[in-house]
Amino acid sequence: AQSVTQPDIHITVSEGASLELRCNYSYGATPYLFWYVQSPGQGLQLLLKYFSGDTLVQGIKGFEAEFKRSQSSFNLRKPSVHWSDAAEYFCAVAPPGGSNYKLTFGKGTLLTVNP
Amino acid sequence: DAGVIQSPRHEVTEMGQEVTLRCKPISGHNSLFWYRQTMMRGLELLIYFNNNVPIDDSGMPEDRFSAKMPNASFSTLKIQPSEPRDSAVYFCASSLKASGRVDEQFFGPGTRLTVL
Repeated sequence: AQSVTQPDIHITVSEGASLELRCNYSYGATPYLFWYVQSPGQGLQLLLKYFSGDTLVQGIKGFEAEFKRSQSSFNLRKPSVHWSDAAEYFCAVAPPGGSNYKLTFGKGTLLTVNP
Repeated sequence: DAGVIQSPRHEVTEMGQEVTLRCKPISGHNSLFWYRQTMMRGLELLIYFNNNVPIDDSGMPEDRFSAKMPNASFSTLKIQPSEPRDSAVYFCASSLKASGRVDEQFFGPGTRLTVL
């Protein structure tokens, strides 16, 4: 069974600082990988996704993520955080092939941004 | 463009009552998902419909839960009878599933259910 670990429950950064959110997965093959963001009282919004090819993927809102097969990781980064980035971030994986709808989510990382 | 619409946004009910959650997917999407989010278990897929047909209901917790999709623009998730442990945020999501593509799921704002 696939699983996703987000080791950091809560991260606080200052506005303008860089950000890295960690995500590790467990799966037999390379799964499809996603990062979602959830603002308070809102649904989840897709930031970026990785299926194959270039291991550095660009997403919306200035976010990027790097797939590292050797570490089974898919960490999310942003060079300079804005106050509006405060939200909860979820990493998710899906199996390649016909069941690629079956997202398994991590428990999330809550990001607080200090002025 | 309208996103996924869910109603009600908040529901408070008493144990034993029937609860019905509603979802209108994005027009043109052919796949619909119901998720449940709790502090303990995180986000879990409950059921997946494709072209109005339930494809995977392995995440439905028990017989008290049922979901229907009578047409392409409407789905319901019903809990009967409800129990306090059903308290959670329920999300509906939709996507356009096409051959050779990976689903990108678009989520609604959720329904926060409290069962007293």
